[in-house]
Amino acid sequence: GNSVTQMEGPVTLSEEAFLTINCTYTATGYPSLFWYVQYPGEGLQLLLKATKADDKGSNKGFEATYRKETTSFHLEKGSVQVSDSAVYFCALRAGYSTLTFGKGTMLLVSP
Amino acid sequence: EPEVTQTPSHQVTQMGQEVILRCVPISNHLYFYWYRQILGQKVEFLVSFYNNEISEKSEIFDDQFSVERPDGSNFTLKIRSTKLEDSAMYFCASRARGQAQPQHFGDGTRLSIL
Repeated sequence: GNSVTQMEGPVTLSEEAFLTINCTYTATGYPSLFWYVQYPGEGLQLLLKATKADDKGSNKGFEATYRKETTSFHLEKGSVQVSDSAVYFCALRAGYSTLTFGKGTMLLVSP
Repeated sequence: EPEVTQTPSHQVTQMGQEVILRCVPISNHLYFYWYRQILGQKVEFLVSFYNNEISEKSEIFDDQFSVERPDGSNFTLKIRSTKLEDSAMYFCASRARGQAQPQHFGDGTRLSIL
């Protein structure tokens, strides 16, 4: 079956530090890959997506590259801000099926 | 920007009662979903709905659960005879036609069963 594995959190960083949140997946076929973000007390917001191998999704300074050879979709940001503190979910969708989420990684950014 | 709206934001119910969680998907979307997130755990798929019928459901979505699209705008999740373990955040999502289209989520309804 499909599955997504994310690094355990929380990830604690100082403002302006470099962020990497690892995500690997197992899926049949060629899934689309997504990162969602959940700010405190809010719902899930789509952060970025990639639909085929070597695609790079980007938004708000965050990037992730679809790596088929390593079945990975790691989230990166060059300089995090306090306002980036949230829970980040990696997810995949294979074909027309529904989303499969990872467990989420909490990011805490201190001033 | 259009968004998925969910009501209520917080629902408190006695164990054994029935609850209805409401969602208004984005107006031109055709695919609708319910997910839940038990506190501290991952987001879990419950059910997907297309063309007025369930297209996929998880093992969580048993006879206690049902979904309905009673009119052109609302999409509801009914939970009968609620249990303590039904306490969770319930998210509605919708998606436009097209395989690469992402699902857009509402802010969720926090369901607390006492």
